[in-house]
Amino acid sequence: QKEVEQNSGPLSVPEGAIASLNCTYSDRGSQSFFWYRQYSGKSPELIMSIYSNGDKEDGRFTAQLNKASQYVSLLIRDSQPSDSATYLCAVQSGGSYIPTFGRGTSLIVHP
Amino acid sequence: EAGVAQSPRYKIIEKRQSVAFWCNPISGHATLYWYQQILGQGPKLLIQFQNNGVVDDSQLPKDRFSAERLKGVDSTLKIQPAKLEDSAVYLCASSLASGQGYGYTFGSGTRLTVV
Repeated sequence: QKEVEQNSGPLSVPEGAIASLNCTYSDRGSQSFFWYRQYSGKSPELIMSIYSNGDKEDGRFTAQLNKASQYVSLLIRDSQPSDSATYLCAVQSGGSYIPTFGRGTSLIVHP
Repeated sequence: EAGVAQSPRYKIIEKRQSVAFWCNPISGHATLYWYQQILGQGPKLLIQFQNNGVVDDSQLPKDRFSAERLKGVDSTLKIQPAKLEDSAVYLCASSLASGQGYGYTFGSGTRLTVV
């Protein structure tokens, strides 16, 4: 059973701070990792993907991957109230092309 | 490009009734997925199509759920008969292909309430 674990939160950060969202996964053969943002009542939207160990930056977002520790994280710099949403981690294993989703972490950015 | 279209947006039915959802993927996207998302949980895959063939339906409750993708484009998901625990958002997603590194584009979803 492939598992993807996320703290459901909510994670509350002040505007302008760095929000750090974490995800662990059970399948060591996992190859591709995705972060989706889901606003309340809306569908998930892909915001980041990462495939190699290390950091990948895109604007205010940085994804970090550590395959040895089976850990992937998403950092949001200069957090804005508009970043308030649920962030879903999805992990795609080497044997199956279908990602397994975590339950998501709720982020609240307060002014 | 146009996104993934789904209808209806909302549906309320009584248990034991039937319901159908429709999805039109992004043009050119060969792979189509149906997910079920229960409140407070991540999306759970129900079925994956590659063109008009089923790739994975291992988590589809086949005694009550069925899905088809005619001509490799539009898809419908049907529940018959519905149970209270089927209350969820049903998300359709598509991707250019099936393989490592391909992310999804999700539709807006259909929120189903079974009473």
